[in-house]
Parts: sequence; C-alpha cells; structure tokens
Amino acid sequence: KAGVTQTPRYLIKTRGQQVTLSCSPISGHRSVSWYQQTPGQGLQFLFEYFSETQRNKGNFPGRFSGRQFSNSRSEMNVSTLELGDSALYLCASSLGGRSDEQYFGPGTRLTVT
Amino acid sequence: EDKVVQSPLSLVVHEGDTVTLNCSYEVTNFRSLLWYKQEKKAPTFLFMLTSSGIEKKSGRLSSILDKKELFSILNITATQTGDSAVYLCAVEYNYGQNFVFGPGTRLSVLP
Repeated sequence: KAGVTQTPRYLIKTRGQQVTLSCSPISGHRSVSWYQQTPGQGLQFLFEYFSETQRNKGNFPGRFSGRQFSNSRSEMNVSTLELGDSALYLCASSLGGRSDEQYFGPGTRLTVT
Repeated sequence: EDKVVQSPLSLVVHEGDTVTLNCSYEVTNFRSLLWYKQEKKAPTFLFMLTSSGIEKKSGRLSSILDKKELFSILNITATQTGDSAVYLCAVEYNYGQNFVFGPGTRLSVLP
C-alpha cells in the first residue's frame, strides 16, 4: 500500500509570510502526528490529530496550528514565519497514535529567508 | 526538568562488531519508550517498550527497558554497513501528553 506522502517537498518563504503543509496518511490510519527537525533542537513533537480532533500538542507557539480532515489527511499551518522556523517538517501516521508503529513521510524542507 | 538523554552521541565501529546504545530519561508519569532508526530523512520505527525487563527482538536488533533505573538499551549484533544511521529514542510521559525525543546516537559502521 502507498506510504505517507507530504507536499510540497521543498518550500522557500520570506519572514512574515504564512505556509501550509499537507500530509496524506497511509490508508486506514486515523492518527497523524507532526514533527519539526532542526540541527540545533533535534526532532520535536508539534501535534497529533486523531479522527479530526487534536489529541496532543507540543510546546510550540500558537503560530503553529493544524487540522485533520474526515479522510484523515492533515494540514499544518505556520503563520508569521520567522527565520527559526526553517526546518524539516515530518508527518507520521499510525493506526492508534504515537505509541503505535508510526510511518513517517519524506518530509517538507522549509527555508525561511 | 523532564529530559531524555542518549549515549554515546556518536560511535564508529567495524562490520561484525556488537554495539549497545543507551537512552536514559527523567520524566513524570512514564508511559512508553520508542526506538527509531533515521538514515536519510524519515525515521523508521524499531521498537516500543512499556514493561520493564521484557526484551523485544527483531533480527540482529534487540531492546530492553529498565523502569527502575530509568533507561533502555538498544543492542545491534553483527553490525553491517547498512546499520549506519542515527538511532533516536523517544519517551511518552505525563499520561501521554508529552512526547520527547533524545538527541540521537550517530552510528557509523565501517567495512
């Protein structure tokens, strides 16, 4: 079956702009989690959605938000971009949640200039 | 302060060696510990541990959790060059509300 897909794969934005990233989970998976990975901070949990509801949220400012649709596809949005938001954004899907076997997508590389 | 620590941060071995990677944690209301392997971009799931003393195995990889001493180890026997990767552990705690990754161990296996 098809894996987790993320679009776009690469993105360049300017400070102050906003961005929306998309994640399509594996068919049948109801949990989608988002992560930010940077060389300085490593891999950090952003939020988890399960059946269209945000189940958990990491320690990120309110500029980071997300949602999940009825087909389990998820989007995350970052408003008022800052240079420090440059990172690899990964999403992962699973049947039950973060403690289940998560399958990660290839990531979206966001560069903020 | 809650924290997840991995050691060593970097390790270079030769094919055929056995390696032991360590993940220790200090968190409130521990729920589970997970191991991942990250080669290029996306991490891949290895193990999920919740109970102390029960070893999980998959081929040459095995892992065990010690909830009393607050650590887990990941063993890789008969290493191969394909085992070269960053190995990450993650801890879910605070009744499942928090999910924190360690900094990772970068393993390089030389032929």
